[in-house]
Amino acid sequence: KNQVEQSPQSLIILEGKNCTLQCNYTVSPFSNLRWYKQDTGRGPVSLTIMTFSENTKSNGRYTATLDADTKQSSLHITASQLSDSASYICVVSDRGSTLGRLYFGRGTQLTVWP
Amino acid sequence: EADIYQTPRYLVIGTGKKITLECSQTMGHDKMYWYQQDPGMELHLIHYSYGVNSTEKGDLSSESTVSRIRTEHFPLTLESARPSHTSQYLCASSSGQGGETQYFGPGTRLLVL
Repeated sequence: KNQVEQSPQSLIILEGKNCTLQCNYTVSPFSNLRWYKQDTGRGPVSLTIMTFSENTKSNGRYTATLDADTKQSSLHITASQLSDSASYICVVSDRGSTLGRLYFGRGTQLTVWP
Repeated sequence: EADIYQTPRYLVIGTGKKITLECSQTMGHDKMYWYQQDPGMELHLIHYSYGVNSTEKGDLSSESTVSRIRTEHFPLTLESARPSHTSQYLCASSSGQGGETQYFGPGTRLLVL
């Protein structure tokens, strides 16, 4: 069964600290993996996208890693800011259909305190 | 920021009422999607469309219906709202062959009393 599991479910950190969010998936065949940021009351916004051959991708203070062999990804946030408070969702796409089916994790709810 | 819009943003309605959630995008994307999301849970695909006059049901069984008469417009209708329909509804669009980035609207929070 194709699944995406994220950990931790929630995380509280102090402003300026770093944190790492985890994503494990069983989706096959694999096409790409995205991390989305979803602010409260808003729709998700794409942060990074990685294909099978990519190990690391950065977007400002966000750095995503992918290990396609172990089917694990992480999202590292450096020098956190209050505006980083949001839900971070791992999304894996398969390449088994023209739709490019997406499998969503439940997200990690990050709260940054001043 | 993506050019995809949803109205209303919030809706409180009584059981049995008919409602239509609007979604419009100005990016010219062929593919559009409706997702349902409950608090702390993953998004579930309820409808999608490859283009004009194309509509398909998603993975999550839904009593809603959709239409795609124009490329930019993908409304979702509930003929008779029930409390079990209380949720957040997210519209998205994308272009390309598959696996491409989906751009999401801000969502509609629906509460059925």
